[in-house]
Amino acid sequence: VQLVQSGAEVKKPGSSVKVSCKASGDTSSRYAVSWVRQAPGQGLEWMGVIISIFGLTYYAQKFQDRVTITADESTRTAYMELSSLRSEDTAVYYCARGEYAYDSYGYHASLDHWGQGTLVTVSS
Amino acid sequence: DIQMTQSPSTLSASVGDRVTITCRASQSVSTWLAWYQQKPGKVPKLLIYKGSSLESGVSSRFSGSGFGTEFTLTISSLQADDFATYYCQQYNSYAWTFGQGTKVEVK
Repeated sequence: VQLVQSGAEVKKPGSSVKVSCKASGDTSSRYAVSWVRQAPGQGLEWMGVIISIFGLTYYAQKFQDRVTITADESTRTAYMELSSLRSEDTAVYYCARGEYAYDSYGYHASLDHWGQGTLVTVSS
Repeated sequence: DIQMTQSPSTLSASVGDRVTITCRASQSVSTWLAWYQQKPGKVPKLLIYKGSSLESGVSSRFSGSGFGTEFTLTISSLQADDFATYYCQQYNSYAWTFGQGTKVEVK
């Protein structure tokens, strides 16, 4: 599986950014796509996930009001849109995919395959 | 959201050392716990999933154990290529979370 993300973006504070993540190399539909970000010199931060086949999304509380994750199954592309950008959102944004399992606690998927990352810079 | 706490934050070690990193969850995550390795400027790489399952292609010197709220990643004999930052991640609840990372550096 290969995940190819869209290119670097420079955005003004208050605007939005939409990053894409296109998958190739397999035909599985039983997968979850997460979005993870990493600010300069900082650790990994999980933002949210989409179970593409069902269109189900779950978001970290921190991003609940500002992030929207979508997917187009026909093109095997996932998208992450982050709104109301501020300087603290400057980071590398990764998509990551894994096959999911489901039980009474919900969906579970490790991040088996990663995109190359997209640098989003927020600056006036 | 479930909080994940790794210890130590930094670990100084030498080639050949046995290294252990601990990850604690604020509530049970069963075995839904993964470990990743990240080198500077590189994409994270999955090492261990479901608490103790070794990802295909990953060296057997890496092993994971634990259940519930306490997990460990062990490197049996540290190699030069293993100096990196390691992250645990729980994927039990509807909001998945990472630990803050453990940097393994040269002693």
